[in-house]
Amino acid sequence: GENVEQHPSTLSVQEGDSAVIKCTYSDSASNYFPWYKQELGKGPQLIIDIRSNVGEKKDQRIAVTLNKTAKHFSLHITETQPEDSAVYFCAASRGRGLKTIFGAGTRLFVKA
Amino acid sequence: ETGVTQTPRHLVMGMTNKKSLKCEQHLGHNAMYWYKQSAKKPLELMFVYSLEERVENNSVPSRFSPECPNSSHLFLHLHTLQPEDSALYLCASSLRDWQGGANYGYTFGSGTRLTVV
Repeated sequence: GENVEQHPSTLSVQEGDSAVIKCTYSDSASNYFPWYKQELGKGPQLIIDIRSNVGEKKDQRIAVTLNKTAKHFSLHITETQPEDSAVYFCAASRGRGLKTIFGAGTRLFVKA
Repeated sequence: ETGVTQTPRHLVMGMTNKKSLKCEQHLGHNAMYWYKQSAKKPLELMFVYSLEERVENNSVPSRFSPECPNSSHLFLHLHTLQPEDSALYLCASSLRDWQGGANYGYTFGSGTRLTVV
C-alpha cells in the first residue's frame, strides 16, 4: 500500500543552526505535500505545503523542496529557535483522493 | 483555537461504558476526519466524511462508529472499548475541490485524550 517514510525520528540542534527533515513517498500519483507541526498538548498545525508542479517553496525561516523523480521532499528550518521544538509530520495525498498518508513524525529539539 | 473544537479534552472510561466525542468546525470546510494518534505510530485515518459521503478505514473496529449530521459537526461514538484503544483522537477538517481535484491542508482540533480502564 501507499506509505510515507520520514527521517530522522529524532533531531537535536543548537539554537541558530539549521534543521532538515526528509520524507519519501511511494504513490507516484501524489501531488500535494503538506507539513505539520505538533506542539505538546495540541493537534498538528499546517506550517507549509507544496504541490507537485513546484520544486521549492519558502516562507520566512522554513522551506520545502520536492523531487518528483526521486519521490523525495524535505523540510528545511533555518536559524532555529527554542520555540521550533516540536514534532513535525510530513504527508502526501493525491487529487480527489480522500486519504492523506502521514509520516511517523520527527521530534525536533532546539537547544538554547 | 484553530477553528476546530473538540470536546471533551480528556476522557477516562471503563470498558463497558458508552461515550461520544464531539467535533465542530465553522471554517466553511466540506470534509471532516477522525484520526487516531498513538505513541510512536503514524497518524491513523479512521473515518472521512465529505459531501455526505463516508469513507472508512476497514481496520477500524466496529466499537467505533462515526456520525456526521451536517458539514459542521462530527461525532465519534464509543462503546465496549479495549485498553489498546487508549490514544489521542484528533478531528480535522479541510476544503476539498472535487471538480479541480486539488487537495488542501487540514485544520486539526486539539484532540481528546482517551484512557480506557
